[in-house]
Amino acid sequence: DTEVTQTPKHLVMGMTNKKSLKCEQHMGHRAMYWYKQKAKKPPELMFVYSYEKLSINESVPSRFSPECPNSSLLNLHLHALQPEDSALYLCASSQDQGAGYEQYFGPGTRLTVT
Amino acid sequence: EDQVTQSPEALRLQEGESSSLNCSYTVSGLRGLFWYRQDPGKGPEFLFTLYSAGEEKEKERLKATLTKKESFLHITAPKPEDSATYLCAVQVLYNFNKFYFGSGTKLNVKP
Repeated sequence: DTEVTQTPKHLVMGMTNKKSLKCEQHMGHRAMYWYKQKAKKPPELMFVYSYEKLSINESVPSRFSPECPNSSLLNLHLHALQPEDSALYLCASSQDQGAGYEQYFGPGTRLTVT
Repeated sequence: EDQVTQSPEALRLQEGESSSLNCSYTVSGLRGLFWYRQDPGKGPEFLFTLYSAGEEKEKERLKATLTKKESFLHITAPKPEDSATYLCAVQVLYNFNKFYFGSGTKLNVKP
């Protein structure tokens, strides 16, 4: 089973709201990723967790706050977002952050900021 | 500067008309090249990993090949259900093994 699940599927939030995106995998993978994807563009890396520790932060604004409660779960907390943050947010996982491991993506959360 | 370029940007084929998609890269220390398929509004679906020049992988109507400078995704006798955007990503030795994605090829197969 190579399934990564994400909730919610769709989210509409105002610029003053606080919300969270959730991601889960049960493949025993030790690396988990958040990507942002705008229409007709490739995924853009935001954060990487390796063995539940933040490994990469791609200079993402602080209104995005990642959390990895355990090896199966990854959250992305959202606060005071801007309309330009509207995008498809993808979670992915891989066996390890090391070289050669493919990443498996979830279905994404479509976020609209009004 | 590291670059990953996919061509063509868009491709229209008739059902059964075979063709190839290209992913060219200029990176140092390639650790892996990955092909994904993405349907509109969904997450990328993993297809293949290639590690070294000369390697080939096949799955149904798809065959991926790798040289020292590029990879091809050959589609043999495509069907309408093969319509999707195909993304390639390269992973390099340095920089924390991040994936660098190309911009994708949007494939449309007409019946």
